[in-house]
Amino acid sequence: QEQLVESGGGVVQPGTSLRLACVGSGFTFKNYGMNWVRQAPGKGLEWVAVIYYDGTNKYYKDSVKGRFIISRDNSKSTVYLDLSGLRVEDTASYYCARVGHGMDVWGQGTTVIVSS
Amino acid sequence: DTVLTQTPVTLAVTLGQPASISCTSSQSLRHTDGKTFLYWYLQRAGQSPHLLLYEVSNRFSGVPDRFSGSGSETDFTLKISRVEADDIGVYYCMQGIHLPLTFGQGTRLEIK
Repeated sequence: QEQLVESGGGVVQPGTSLRLACVGSGFTFKNYGMNWVRQAPGKGLEWVAVIYYDGTNKYYKDSVKGRFIISRDNSKSTVYLDLSGLRVEDTASYYCARVGHGMDVWGQGTTVIVSS
Repeated sequence: DTVLTQTPVTLAVTLGQPASISCTSSQSLRHTDGKTFLYWYLQRAGQSPHLLLYEVSNRFSGVPDRFSGSGSETDFTLKISRVEADDIGVYYCMQGIHLPLTFGQGTRLEIK
């Protein structure tokens, strides 16, 4: 079945960096755009970034521009989110979600905790 | 940014009774191609969100027909004809036409 699996979360100090990865399976990954969406503890959903199916276009939420980078390797069916300059307010569960009919397939999420 | 406002914030419903959630957008979600990019998601406790309805009223694969959606331009509604225990969770609307993509703040559905 169509599946997305995230990894790479952890506990890090403010100002440091982290790379999240999301591997897709059960569908032709290279044909789909991919999003990253996050959810702070006890809060709602917040879109972070999107990358087109071929990687040509990328868009970000303003608060992460210049700090986060979305990329993909279609040969590995993987989308990445490089997080740098992490802030306490970046603490959240990060989900990858496929661009289909809206966000039609979601991963289980990976948790990033930014704390000193 | 496009603001989506959901009402109510919390909804307590008796099993078997209907439920309705409203989502109002600060700008039109209708594209020039005629499609309207409004989506509904359910997030059960401890789980990731999953898609219920796309483009206002189209049920995603496997979604029961007790879920329906309506609306246009800026005002939208999700209706559950007869609430079941499996429907408990937080419902989010999302707009997919204006960047940044945005979600409503969520509506928590509880069983009365």
